[in-house]
Amino acid sequence: QAQLQESGPGPVKPSETLSLTCTVSGVSISNYNWGWVRQSPGKELDWIGYISYSGSTNYNPSLKSRVTISIDTSRSQFSLKLTSVTAADTAVYYCARLLIGYFSMHYFDFWGRGTLVTVSS
Amino acid sequence: QSGLTQPASVSGSPGQSITISCTGARSDVGSYNLVSWYQQHPGKAPKVVIYEDSKRPLGVSNRFSGSKSGNTASLTISGLQPEDEADYYCCSYAGSSTYVFGVGTKVTVL
Repeated sequence: QAQLQESGPGPVKPSETLSLTCTVSGVSISNYNWGWVRQSPGKELDWIGYISYSGSTNYNPSLKSRVTISIDTSRSQFSLKLTSVTAADTAVYYCARLLIGYFSMHYFDFWGRGTLVTVSS
Repeated sequence: QSGLTQPASVSGSPGQSITISCTGARSDVGSYNLVSWYQQHPGKAPKVVIYEDSKRPLGVSNRFSGSKSGNTASLTISGLQPEDEADYYCCSYAGSSTYVFGVGTKVTVL
């Protein structure tokens, strides 16, 4: 059973870079795809992007210019960087495992508890 | 990518059945059998209850069922129970390795 835990440095100032790490335990990070989803206070879920076990990445077109997802298999971690943040990026950020098959699955089965990132000066 | 359309709220009495709709476009919901549904209690992470339009993950109650017609997917909760009170989100594969979530539906058990 996969377990995921988000971690990050805390509040971020406008125009700076948001950085989060997700630590995976219970399964090999190398065998799956891993994604990030965020949720602004009181709002809907918003898919940010994902990274495959091979390191290839795919991003939400609306965030693509500001997002980078990377993976460190030796530490069983994957990370999110979001540049030039504004107050609109204030949200709970979740990491999750994304199951993908050939025209099958394509859903998030295990999630972290989420971490609130506040963008404020 | 615009969020998939869901009703803001749906309510029902214990034991009743309710259905939540999720309307997308021909490019997402209508093109793939890859809609998933998530239940989210306040302050908690989402939990998948349906994937591939109508399949239930192991451990999810058979009171949850999914279906799809054209560009609209639906989640039905039968035998509504107090613990079903939560927010529900649909999510669809949208092609080109991208995904789109619905705007969410608050389910209230009266």
